[in-house]
Amino acid sequence: DAGITQSPRYKITETGRQVTLMCHQTWSHSYMFWYRQDLGHGLRLIYYSAAADITDKGEVPDGYVVSRSKTENFPLTLESATRSQTSVYFCASSLWTGGDSSGELFFGEGSRLTVL
Amino acid sequence: LAKTTQPISMDSYEGQEVNITCSHNNIATNDYITWYQQFPSQGPRFIIQGYKTKVTNEVASLFIPADRKSSTLSLPRVSLSDTAVYYCLVGENTDKLIFGTGTRLQVFP
Repeated sequence: DAGITQSPRYKITETGRQVTLMCHQTWSHSYMFWYRQDLGHGLRLIYYSAAADITDKGEVPDGYVVSRSKTENFPLTLESATRSQTSVYFCASSLWTGGDSSGELFFGEGSRLTVL
Repeated sequence: LAKTTQPISMDSYEGQEVNITCSHNNIATNDYITWYQQFPSQGPRFIIQGYKTKVTNEVASLFIPADRKSSTLSLPRVSLSDTAVYYCLVGENTDKLIFGTGTRLQVFP
């Protein structure tokens, strides 16, 4: 099915371990984003990517690494997970190409990460 | 980046019209106003976007006064399924949008 999918949907890990959250979209959207949402709070932008091999930091990038070797994939890696990174992570994509309006964001279902 | 202020929560009953106002006093000339809806355990979903005056789609209306320092999302005849968190975002570029804490709308039967 076309759309944006995240995996895993649920992950429990331990402090210090490396974790990679996957995001795949089938629309060939240029822009992709990673947000985190902590319980009872809004979304905060971690990283975004304008195209393959182009990434940039958002509001809260520390402790995270991203890559975008292919347009359709945008994995998010926590190189050494900490308890403060327990959160729900949302991937999004957008048709926006830097034009004169703010493009619609299409979100995945989220990945719930618990760091023990 | 324009900061937005919305009520933390609102209550309504089925069949009523709900108006959620967002304040964005320092909105820039090229900024658009966008609203998203988020249900529990789901990612946000685009509702509507506007620049000035009024925009209407099949789901909602967006009213923007001439000074653009605020905007109002109007949901006609809400139902229980409209219970969600609603986010007001202001920005020119999608890569600079900031989600605040949103407005939690509770619709009662």
